[in-house]
Amino acid sequence: GAVVSQHPSWVICKSGTSVKIECRSLDFQATTMFWYRQFPKQSLMLMATSNEGSKATYEQGVEKDKFLINHASLTLSTLTVTSAHPEDSSFYICSAGIGQGVEQYFGPGTRLTVT
Amino acid sequence: AQTVTQSQPEMSVQEAETVTLSCTYDTSESDYYLFWYKQPPSRQMILVIRQEAYKQQNATENRFSVNFQKAAKSFSLKISDSQLGDAAMYFCAYRRRPEYGNKLVFGAGTILRVKS
Repeated sequence: GAVVSQHPSWVICKSGTSVKIECRSLDFQATTMFWYRQFPKQSLMLMATSNEGSKATYEQGVEKDKFLINHASLTLSTLTVTSAHPEDSSFYICSAGIGQGVEQYFGPGTRLTVT
Repeated sequence: AQTVTQSQPEMSVQEAETVTLSCTYDTSESDYYLFWYKQPPSRQMILVIRQEAYKQQNATENRFSVNFQKAAKSFSLKISDSQLGDAAMYFCAYRRRPEYGNKLVFGAGTILRVKS
């Protein structure tokens, strides 16, 4: 149980275009979803926290207009990288939480390459 | 704010041997949760073990066990009988009680290499 999927697993886009990454909780309702960014051999950096039906809370230094997060349902959150640039190339990971539960359930991640 | 420190960027262990990964954290709170996550080359984050701060007994999961020293704010992970499949990046993480927030604070990670 508690499976989280991400789509796509790998995406290549041209500089200046936008790309959307989906995060789905497959067998549970996720009241909270988290988006992380990870560079090679580095730790996970929390970008934002989203609760179903409300606006995402962004971490300091994360551009909310560039990284648009939508949590429209209890099973789906999306991250849209707008006007992507090569420096946005990274590994993006989502996770989901259930109510007041302690654990986060992680998706397999999405590798974004901007050319 | 809480911080998590993993002072070992890389560790190596011989297959079948035991290795200990270190983690220290800083908090002023008395009740919280600590985790060890494994991230293999696939990059899927896998929960290895979890410890509630109010529990004095160290958590164990098969070959994985922790040494939780609350006063010292230390939370090390011991892997016994290491296997090739244990090779991964390991992250220590801290989480406050749910009523105070739901974020995980991660350490920088330790790359574990297992030699055959």
